[in-house]
Amino acid sequence: AQSVTQPDIHITVSEGASLELRCNYSYGATPYLFWYVQSPGQGLQLLLKYFSGDTLVQGIKGFEAEFKRSQSSFNLRKPSVHWSDAAEYFCAVVAGTMFSGGYNKLIFGAGTRLAVHP
Amino acid sequence: IAGITQAPTSQILAAGRRMTLRCTQDMRHNAMYWYRQDLGLGLRLIHYSNTAGTTGKGEVPDGYSVSRANTDDFPLTLASAVPSQTSVYFCASSESQGDYGYTFGSGTRLTVV
Repeated sequence: AQSVTQPDIHITVSEGASLELRCNYSYGATPYLFWYVQSPGQGLQLLLKYFSGDTLVQGIKGFEAEFKRSQSSFNLRKPSVHWSDAAEYFCAVVAGTMFSGGYNKLIFGAGTRLAVHP
Repeated sequence: IAGITQAPTSQILAAGRRMTLRCTQDMRHNAMYWYRQDLGLGLRLIHYSNTAGTTGKGEVPDGYSVSRANTDDFPLTLASAVPSQTSVYFCASSESQGDYGYTFGSGTRLTVV
C-alpha cells in the first residue's frame, strides 16, 4: 500500500541555521508529492508540490524540496531558518485508487515538529 | 467568510451523544474532505466528496457520516460519539478531485468523555 514516512518526530535548529526535513514514500509509479505546514492552532498550508519535471521544486517562504527516485525521498530544505518557521511539517503523497469510486486522495505522514532556538 | 469556516472551534461531548461538525467554503470548490489529526498519526481521511451530491469513504470512515447537499457545505456527523473519536478534525477543499492543493479550515478540537 502507498505510504509516506517522516522519520523525525521533532527537530530543533538554531535561527539562521539550515534545515532539512526528511520524507520517504512508498509508491510503485512516479508519485505526486507535497509538503504542507501547520502553524499552531491553524489548518495546513501548502508549501510546495512535485508532479513531474525538474526534481528540485521551489515553494513559498523560501522552502525547496528535491525528489530523488533512487532513494524514494522528497526532503524539504531551507538554507536559513527564521523563528517564524517553527511549526509542524507534513509530507503527503497522492495515493493510488485505494478508495471507493477509484479516486486518488492525499495521504499524509505523521508530521515533523520543528522548534527554532533564537 | 474567506476560505473554509469550521464550527465549533472546540467541543466537549459526552459519549453516546450525537454531534455534527460544520464546514462551509466560499470558493465554489467542487471537492471537499474531512480529516482527523491525531498525535503521531498525522492526518487521516475520514470521508470525501468529489462534487455536490456524492460522497465516498476514506481511510477511517467508521462511526462517521457525511452529506453534500450543495457545493458549499459538508457537515460531518458522529451518530454516537465514543472516546476514540477525540481528535482534531479538519475540513478541506480543492477545486476538483484531481487538484491536490487543498485549502484547510482551522479545525475543530473535539473531546469525547
